[in-house]
Amino acid sequence: QVQLLQSGAEVKKPGSSVKVSCKASGDTFSSYVIAWVRQAPGQGLEWMGGIMPILKTPEYAQKFQGRVTITADESTNTAYMELNSLRSEDTAVYFCARGWLSLYYLDSWGQGTLVTVSS
Amino acid sequence: EIVLTQSPGTLSLSPGDRATLACRASQSLTNNYLAWYQQKPGQAPRLLIYGASTWATGIPDRFRGSGSGTDFTLTISRLEPEDFAVYYCQQYGSSPTFGQGTKVEIK
Repeated sequence: QVQLLQSGAEVKKPGSSVKVSCKASGDTFSSYVIAWVRQAPGQGLEWMGGIMPILKTPEYAQKFQGRVTITADESTNTAYMELNSLRSEDTAVYFCARGWLSLYYLDSWGQGTLVTVSS
Repeated sequence: EIVLTQSPGTLSLSPGDRATLACRASQSLTNNYLAWYQQKPGQAPRLLIYGASTWATGIPDRFRGSGSGTDFTLTISRLEPEDFAVYYCQQYGSSPTFGQGTKVEIK
């Protein structure tokens, strides 16, 4: 089974950007979709988007279109999520998770990365 | 966007009780692409069920998913102490979305 290791916690100013990484090990990376899901404090899960590394074509939730960029580097088995124009409402734990082939039911999850947006 | 509505918001039950959680979709789900997750405080979610009724690896059979079209159910036949958590449904057809969650708490 794949293990997903995410980068560490970040503190950002409003209006800035954050880039979170997700490194996969232990299983095939390229042929399975990687999703990004966030969870604001005390709130539910929110799908942001995803990518199949071998295709390099991301898809995004409409809410985040134009503000999020999801990429994947097959050479390092690492996926990235960059969120721009940060505001306080973006304070959340950001998870990466692996789907099954092209389907976004998520059977392996990273440990989560806390992003705090504060002036 | 497909909206998933979970009910109830909170279930207060005792160990050994049966839990029934509902998830309703705003439109019919292609191929019953519906998954259920369990999340405990401070942890990542864990996949329980996919395809509405197929167990994920290592999930005990007291968890059972059912339903089709727009109405889905997760049933926990006899609650164990470790089952008290928040449960989310997710549709993973076009542009995945999650329900708002059902908290199963100890009565």
